[in-house]
Amino acid sequence: NAGVTQTPKFQVLKTGQSMTLQCAQDMNHEYMSWYRQDPGMGLRLIHYSVGAGITDQGEVPNGYNVSRSTTEDFPLRLLSAAPSQTSVYFCASSYSGSLGDTQYFGPGTRLTVL
Amino acid sequence: AQKVTQAQTEISVVEKEDVTLDCVYETRDTTYYLFWYKQPPSGELVFLIRRNSFDEQNEISGRYSWNFQKSTSSFNFTITASQVVDSAVYFCALSEAGTTDSWGKFQFGAGTQVVVTP
Repeated sequence: NAGVTQTPKFQVLKTGQSMTLQCAQDMNHEYMSWYRQDPGMGLRLIHYSVGAGITDQGEVPNGYNVSRSTTEDFPLRLLSAAPSQTSVYFCASSYSGSLGDTQYFGPGTRLTVL
Repeated sequence: AQKVTQAQTEISVVEKEDVTLDCVYETRDTTYYLFWYKQPPSGELVFLIRRNSFDEQNEISGRYSWNFQKSTSSFNFTITASQVVDSAVYFCALSEAGTTDSWGKFQFGAGTQVVVTP
């Protein structure tokens, strides 16, 4: 199993550009989520999905869109990048999102917006 | 309000010293889970341990041990006889019962950077 994979590993964007961060898992996990990591703030939840076709907002959803057309994939879209979106982005998955389910994280994408 | 507090921003130790990382959490739920993750310099997040609110037994795994105390809302992590490979950022996280909508959501602390020098 590859676990949770993310592409790209690094990305530099200019303000106003759009892009999609890819996330895939091969563990047949129902629950997937996106976090951003900023210095001194830990990880904060952006969006999450409890299964294919179902998504919802987390703590910091503004400026990001998600969709979940398959169990395996959960892409994160930045429609118009802003410098405030410079961060490290982590995708995570867990078996069902039930209370106590361990979340397993991808390797992260380091995004810089100029 | 921050639900998980890791007050230590950075801890520096010399190899073979013990180091204890503090984690204080806040919740009104009686059922919840606590987690520790390690983030080495390579950047990935590695799961270390999960503990539910009804299990207050301390846990030891090799050089790692965890002390869970509900009375003080703390879930502290000790590395015994630290090694250079322990240098990483360590995160504590909380998952609350709340509503079913909140089950999968983790609240992370800000992390503690551990630096172990030879």
